Amino acid sequence: GDSVTQMEGPVTLSEEAFLTINCTYTATGYPSLFWYVQYPGEGLQLLLKATKADDKGSNKGFEATYRKETTSFHLEKGSVQVSDSAVYFCAFPDTGRRALTFGSGTRLQVQP
Amino acid sequence: KAGVTQTPRYLIKTRGQQVTLSCSPISGHRSVSWYQQTPGQGLQFLFEYFSETQRNKGNFPGRFSGRQFSNSRSEMNVSTLELGDSALYLCASSLEASGIKDTQYFGPGTRLTVL
Repeated sequence: GDSVTQMEGPVTLSEEAFLTINCTYTATGYPSLFWYVQYPGEGLQLLLKATKADDKGSNKGFEATYRKETTSFHLEKGSVQVSDSAVYFCAFPDTGRRALTFGSGTRLQVQP
Repeated sequence: KAGVTQTPRYLIKTRGQQVTLSCSPISGHRSVSWYQQTPGQGLQFLFEYFSETQRNKGNFPGRFSGRQFSNSRSEMNVSTLELGDSALYLCASSLEASGIKDTQYFGPGTRLTVL
């Protein structure tokens, strides 16, 4: 069935370090792909998205490229800040259920 | 444009009680989805509404129900609460102007604690 696999957390980095959070998916066809972020005590915020193969989504210094060949959508940021500390979710729409299929989330902790 | 709003933000109930949660989607959005988030199970789909009709339902017992009003606002109800229902309940809305599932935008959630 459809699924999303994310790297286990927590990921602990120092400020200004490079970030990569891996995401791979199993889906029928080539769905749109999303990264959502959840700050402590809040709901999910859309961080970025890509709608077709080779698209690059970007926002707030974060980037992710839709790789059809490797069915991946890894999240990257060149220089993280303490304010980036949050849980990051990779997701895609399950068109059959009309719902998003989420990964388990990766907690990022950035230390000053 | 105002985002998705959910009320109340926090609720404390006891086992056996029932609860109703409310969600107001982004203006113009016609699809509303509900998700349950728990530390153990992660994010799980509850149900989705469009034009006052439930189009799909996740794998939850019948104690979980919902509805959508003509103005697209939605409510979900949980009857006979159990301890395991303690969770963050998230509502998401999307436009679906063309019938295609668009990007879903989430509200802040309602934190339900069952004692």
